[in-house]
Amino acid sequence: QQKVQQSPESLSVPEGGMASLNCTSSDRNFQYFWWYRQHSGEGPKALMSIFSDGDKKEGRFTAHLNKASLHVSLHIRDSQPSDSALYFCAASDLNSGGSNAKLTFGKGTKLSVKS
Amino acid sequence: GGIITQTPKFLIGQEGQKLTLKCQQNFNHDTMYWYRQDSGKGLRLIYYSITENDLQKGDLSEGYDASREKKSSFSLTVTSAQKNEMAVFLCASSMTSAETLYFGSGTRLTVL
Repeated sequence: QQKVQQSPESLSVPEGGMASLNCTSSDRNFQYFWWYRQHSGEGPKALMSIFSDGDKKEGRFTAHLNKASLHVSLHIRDSQPSDSALYFCAASDLNSGGSNAKLTFGKGTKLSVKS
Repeated sequence: GGIITQTPKFLIGQEGQKLTLKCQQNFNHDTMYWYRQDSGKGLRLIYYSITENDLQKGDLSEGYDASREKKSSFSLTVTSAQKNEMAVFLCASSMTSAETLYFGSGTRLTVL
């Protein structure tokens, strides 16, 4: 079973709309979560990390973590065509101290923002 | 800021061939990584290195070798290319093994 599951697989929102991406872990040891974004033809780029329960906001992006339900979400406010990309959730476990070597990536959500 | 440069951008090889992918970073980061990206499968770690001359296997190391010749460079060798190996190989670096990953734009491998 995939330890980090993302939903939906693909998502289309209108320009200016709100995009909501979800990520669920099946491993209770996963305590460190990252969101990465990959535009076509490029490598992934880190958007934000979240390690504590609650919300973390960076500009138009808000991540929400609920460790009890092993669920993390990413909300993109005022979506722009430049936000169209593949979004990865990644999780790392407590025992590794958040080591990238133990980072498990989800399969990604493809976001399309239509102008 | 810095940059990660991967060469070549596209690599075409024959089945059974030994192929080498190269990566250079100018972030002065200690840790470097090689990931494989298959369509619909996320990223999987092949090898990583926490310092010059160090090598650590990831979950997908079988069929690959790696070499960290100096702090700024990390190369990956496909020891015997297979047709199911067609994927994008991504190099990344981070200051320490627990900090933000910075990725190159990838090498797309095609095996004929």
